[in-house]
Amino acid sequence: DQQVKQNSPSLSVQEGRISILNCDYTNSMFDYFLWYKKYPAEGPTFLISISSIKDKNEDGRFTVFLNKSAKHLSLHIVPSQPGDSAVYFCAAKGLSGGYQKVTFGTGTKLQVIP
Amino acid sequence: KAGVTQTPRYLIKTRGQQVTLSCSPISGHRSVSWYQQTPGQGLQFLFEYFSETQRNKGNFPGRFSGRQFSNSRSEMNVSTLELGDSALYLCASSLAQGHNEQFFGPGTRLTVL
Repeated sequence: DQQVKQNSPSLSVQEGRISILNCDYTNSMFDYFLWYKKYPAEGPTFLISISSIKDKNEDGRFTVFLNKSAKHLSLHIVPSQPGDSAVYFCAAKGLSGGYQKVTFGTGTKLQVIP
Repeated sequence: KAGVTQTPRYLIKTRGQQVTLSCSPISGHRSVSWYQQTPGQGLQFLFEYFSETQRNKGNFPGRFSGRQFSNSRSEMNVSTLELGDSALYLCASSLAQGHNEQFFGPGTRLTVL
């Protein structure tokens, strides 16, 4: 049962344009959401997060939007740069089966074309 | 400040064997979490340790176990290895249990033949 879904395995965007990565979740107990970026042969690195009490959080070129009613979040990167090419994971945190867990999506590979 | 380190980086084992992976968190971080990453399943949470005690666990069989030492270093053990255990095992540290921002190590690539 995939509680956090990233339905697009890959995305290609021109340099300078906006990249929009999407994530859907099913567990209404999730109360905190995070995005991580992963380069090959490295561990994921934290990018940006948002609490369930907010609907938007911005950090430089990165903005995360949360739509609780739709159980959907998205990461916007503006403008996209070639160095942003990586795999992006969304993650959701909350109680599941009596434990506080972080559940990751399967990732979206972003390619920014110069 | 040094990042999260994991040893070994690569490991090849055969079915039925057991394996122990090691993780040293960032200095001052007291919580260590372990994840398994496979191409089809993404990152799956194994367990979290804080103050030498397992605080949270995922849905993995009992063959997967771990421990944490007083210096916050952690080890993960997998017994009776199966082919499906081949994966990248990632360790992440954070300041405290449940702290939202985690810092990941580079992972240990385990191949089971």
